[in-house]
Amino acid sequence: KAGVTQTPRYLIKTRGQQVTLSCSPISGHRSVSWYQQTPGQGLQFLFEYFSETQRNKGNFPGRFSGRQFSNSRSEMNVSTLELGDSALYLCASSRGQKNTEAFFGQGTRLTVV
Amino acid sequence: DQQVKQNSPSLSVQEGRISILNCDYTNSMFDYFLWYKKYPAEGPTFLISISSIKDKNEDGRFTVFLNKSAKHLSLHIVPSQPGDSAVYFCAASALSGTGRRALTFGSGTRLQVQP
Repeated sequence: KAGVTQTPRYLIKTRGQQVTLSCSPISGHRSVSWYQQTPGQGLQFLFEYFSETQRNKGNFPGRFSGRQFSNSRSEMNVSTLELGDSALYLCASSRGQKNTEAFFGQGTRLTVV
Repeated sequence: DQQVKQNSPSLSVQEGRISILNCDYTNSMFDYFLWYKKYPAEGPTFLISISSIKDKNEDGRFTVFLNKSAKHLSLHIVPSQPGDSAVYFCAASALSGTGRRALTFGSGTRLQVQP
């Protein structure tokens, strides 16, 4: 059974640009959550999508957005990139039920220069 | 305001000894707690969890203890092995106003097990 797949693995962008990251969850998982990991900050919750709808949102500015498709694949978009957006972006999938063990992908390392 | 805190950024133990990783939380609505392990260049891997109705959960060498009155949980690894060297994240979960759950993570503790 394939795990959570995130593409691309690495990305370098310039300030002011926008970026789209992709996440394919484990087959049968309907919930996809996105997290940002920066040094010393742990993993910060961005948002969760379930059945193509954003169900939960963390404390991030509106520049961070996402969507989920009918096949549960999800994309995350960051517009008007800032240097502080440089981080590891992790996607996690789960069945979306009370059992909240989430399975993570390897992440996309975004560097903003 | 960090709702989940791992106050020790790093921990070093000898192989064969016990590793104890600590985690404190402030939100009394958290009712499900998890530990994840993360190796460099990989995503976090689920390790063990505990519901707030329990105070202990054991899985092989890993045991998680929950002290609800102190809002404290800990992960014990016995015996520690060099392959356990990784960053360990504590996470907590509560039902949100939308009826959904999100994981709130601590900042992580880097465990190094010396051979």
